[in-house]
Amino acid sequence: GQNIDQPTEMTATEGAIVQINCTYQTSGFNGLFWYQQHAGEAPTFLSYNVLDGLEEKGRFSSFLSRSKGYSYLLLKELQMKDSASYLCAVMDSNYQLIWGAGTKLIIKP
Amino acid sequence: GAVVSQHPSWVICKSGTSVKIECRSLDFQATTMFWYRQFPKQSLMLMATSNEGSKATYEQGVEKDKFLINHASLTLSTLTVTSAHPEDSSFYICSARGRDRGDHQPQHFGDGTRLSIL
Repeated sequence: GQNIDQPTEMTATEGAIVQINCTYQTSGFNGLFWYQQHAGEAPTFLSYNVLDGLEEKGRFSSFLSRSKGYSYLLLKELQMKDSASYLCAVMDSNYQLIWGAGTKLIIKP
Repeated sequence: GAVVSQHPSWVICKSGTSVKIECRSLDFQATTMFWYRQFPKQSLMLMATSNEGSKATYEQGVEKDKFLINHASLTLSTLTVTSAHPEDSSFYICSARGRDRGDHQPQHFGDGTRLSIL
């Protein structure tokens, strides 16, 4: 079956760095997406990786290793507004998105 | 760019009522639209995928006669929850994907509709 695993919850301190991991097993691979979802709101797109390596976009970076079925989202200089759920989603061979359950990130002052 | 508008944002209605939710892509043509449902503290659950001009593809366990989807144009899809009951209360979210860069581009989400059935 298809499976996306990410931690349920993480806690970090304002100004610090946090890494949210995602491992996947899917039927085919056409890219991995990270989305941010604040409580009560719809998800917003953060990043897309289809080749191995690190993609940097401001304070957020996303890494992919296809051979390991692994990705992480790195958030630097954490701000209180970064408190949200972070969703990992993999596009399979049928171009369907398989969603992880999300990681709730709690930022403490 | 890539703005998706979803309306209404909040609906409260009596059991047995039918509710229509609209999803519009404002600045791009959405060849594919997706409808999700999310219960509190749970992950997104895909309900159906619709391509412009064709019938929607429903996920297993989703009743197509209960959740009517219409994707009549490249910028508009609607979800109608027919004869809604309290167990249908949930957060419904649409997303859209354009065609310019193929299937790899991300889905862009509407703001969601919070449906409460009394």
